[in-house]
Amino acid sequence: DAMVIQNPRYQVTQFGKPVTLSCSQTLNHNVMYWYQQKSSQAPKLLFHYYDKDFNNEADTPDNFQSRRPNTSFCFLDIRSPGLGDAAMYLCATGQGGYQPQHFGDGTRLSIL
Amino acid sequence: GQNIDQPTEMTATEGAIVQINCTYQTSGFNGLFWYQQHAGEAPTFLSYNVLDGLEEKGRFSSFLSRSKGYSYLLLKELQMKDSASYLCAPLRTYKYIFGTGTRLKVLA
Repeated sequence: DAMVIQNPRYQVTQFGKPVTLSCSQTLNHNVMYWYQQKSSQAPKLLFHYYDKDFNNEADTPDNFQSRRPNTSFCFLDIRSPGLGDAAMYLCATGQGGYQPQHFGDGTRLSIL
Repeated sequence: GQNIDQPTEMTATEGAIVQINCTYQTSGFNGLFWYQQHAGEAPTFLSYNVLDGLEEKGRFSSFLSRSKGYSYLLLKELQMKDSASYLCAPLRTYKYIFGTGTRLKVLA
C-alpha cells in the first residue's frame, strides 16, 4: 500500500545534541509537510516543501531545518534541541488543491 | 486572523448522534477538513467541504457555511471506537490551520 513512513517511531536525544527525523512517501505527492504536536494541542505546521520549494512558517524557530533531497524523502533537523522541543513530530504529504493530507504515524521525540 | 474555535470536550452515549461545531476566521480560505485523531496516533482524514452545504460519508457528515465561517461534523450511531479528538482544519491554499480539537468520549 502507498503510504507515508516515519522513522523512528520514538527518538531520544540529549539536550543540545543534533537530531534528524526522517519521512518517506510512496504516494508521489508534490507537497511534504512537517508538524509539531505537543500534548493536548493542535498540530502546528513548521514548514513544507512544494516540490523543491521550501516554505518556512514565520514562527518556526531557527533551530529547525528541513531537507528534501528527492520527491520521496524529507528530513527534519533539530540543531540544538531544548527541553521545549519534546513533542510528536508528524510528517504529511499532499497534492495541493482540495485533496486531503496523508499523515505518517509520527515520531515521538524525548529530550534528556 | 485564523481563530478557530471548537468545544474542548464532549461526551455522548453509544448509539447516539453528536454534532461538533467549528467556527473560524480565515482569509484566502479554500475549504475545510475534518480529521480524527486517537491518542498517540496520527490524524486520519474524515471529511471535507469546499462549497456550502452538507457532505455525507457513511456515519460521518460535515456541513459548511462559508459566509458564516461555520462548520460542523455530525457523527451518527456512535461507537466506542469513536472516542477520539476531532480536528477542524480550514485550508488556505494548500496549508491547514488546525483547531485544538474536540475530545469526544463515548460512553456505553
